[in-house]
Amino acid sequence: GNSVTQMEGPVTLSEEAFLTINCTYTATGYPSLFWYVQYPGEGLQLLLKATKADDKGSNKGFEATYRKETTSFHLEKGSVQVSDSAVYFCALDLRGADGLTFGKGTHLIIQP
Amino acid sequence: KAGVTQTPRYLIKTRGQQVTLSCSPISGHRSVSWYQQTPGQGLQFLFEYFSETQRNKGNFPGRFSGRQFSNSRSEMNVSTLELGDSALYLCASSSGLAESTDTQYFGPGTRLTVL
Repeated sequence: GNSVTQMEGPVTLSEEAFLTINCTYTATGYPSLFWYVQYPGEGLQLLLKATKADDKGSNKGFEATYRKETTSFHLEKGSVQVSDSAVYFCALDLRGADGLTFGKGTHLIIQP
Repeated sequence: KAGVTQTPRYLIKTRGQQVTLSCSPISGHRSVSWYQQTPGQGLQFLFEYFSETQRNKGNFPGRFSGRQFSNSRSEMNVSTLELGDSALYLCASSSGLAESTDTQYFGPGTRLTVL
């Protein structure tokens, strides 16, 4: 079956530090890949996406590159802020079959 | 453009009761998917509706059901509630087209507590 693996954390960093959250996937086809973010008490917000190999998604300083050879979609940001504290979910979509498959989520805490 | 809306935001029910949750998708979107989020199991896919028909279904018991109306609004029903049904229920809408660029946009969720 399809699956997504990501570090669960919590991951604690100081403000302005470099961020990497690893995400690897297993899929029976060629999925689209997503990062969603969830702030306390809220639903999921789309952060970025990539739909084919070597695509780079980017938004609000966050980036992730679809690496087919390593089946990975690692999330990076050069300088994090306190406001980036949230839970980040990596997900894959195989054209709607069985919905989105999510990782367990990574709780990110940024300290001032 | 208005986002996905879900009502109610919070619900408290007792075991054995039933509950109905509502979701209004983004205007123009024809697909609505439902997910259950719990601390133990994470985010799990319940089902997807497209043009008033259930198109995909996750691995949940028959107590969980849904429907979609002609205006694409969707409802989810859980009958004979169990303590383990306590969760955040998230609705997501998308165009529903079989394209790699199709993206699901989520609502704020309904927090269901079963006592």
